[in-house]
Amino acid sequence: NAGVMQNPRHLVRRRGQEARLRCSPMKGHSHVYWYRQLPEEGLKFMVYLQKENIIDESGMPKERFSAEFPKEGPSILRIQQVVRGDSAAYFCASSQIQVLSSYEQYFGPGTRLTVT
Amino acid sequence: GESVGLHLPTLSVQEGDNSIINCAYSNSASDYFIWYKQESGKGPQFIIDIRSNMDKRQGQRVTVLLNKTVKHLSLQIAATQPGDSAVYFCAENSGGYQKVTFGTGTKLQVIP
Repeated sequence: NAGVMQNPRHLVRRRGQEARLRCSPMKGHSHVYWYRQLPEEGLKFMVYLQKENIIDESGMPKERFSAEFPKEGPSILRIQQVVRGDSAAYFCASSQIQVLSSYEQYFGPGTRLTVT
Repeated sequence: GESVGLHLPTLSVQEGDNSIINCAYSNSASDYFIWYKQESGKGPQFIIDIRSNMDKRQGQRVTVLLNKTVKHLSLQIAATQPGDSAVYFCAENSGGYQKVTFGTGTKLQVIP
């Protein structure tokens, strides 16, 4: 059973370009989370999605950022008109719904975005 | 807002010794806590979790202690090994679903 997959692993964009980050959850997982991590800091929640639905986007910047998790295919985190402050590691996690069980999220290896 | 934080940013321990990593949380509504390990260049890896109706839980070489009175969480690693070198994050959940809030992290350095 493959783990959570993210691509690309490294992405370099110039200011003003668009960045598209992809996340394929573990097989059987229908819940996807995106987190951002700045150097030497913890992970900051961005958005929680289920198939075709955004459940919680309270951590997502209001502008330039969007996320989707279509019925078919990976989840996409899209950053338009990137700025240097967007440079960070972006992690995706997936999980199953388990009542009265752990909220274990399985994390992908991350995409390291560098904006030049 | 509510946050989860750590006391020590860096902890150095001798190989074979026990490690204790501490975490303070401020959200009294938190009912579930998780410890993650993150190695350099990798995503966080689940280590152990604990619910607020427990004060101790043990795994393989790891123990998590929860003190709700002082809102304190700790991770104990027995017989620390070089492979334990990583950044450790505590995280808490109070959202009723699977959203977690991460603390800042503690870097554990194991001295051979």
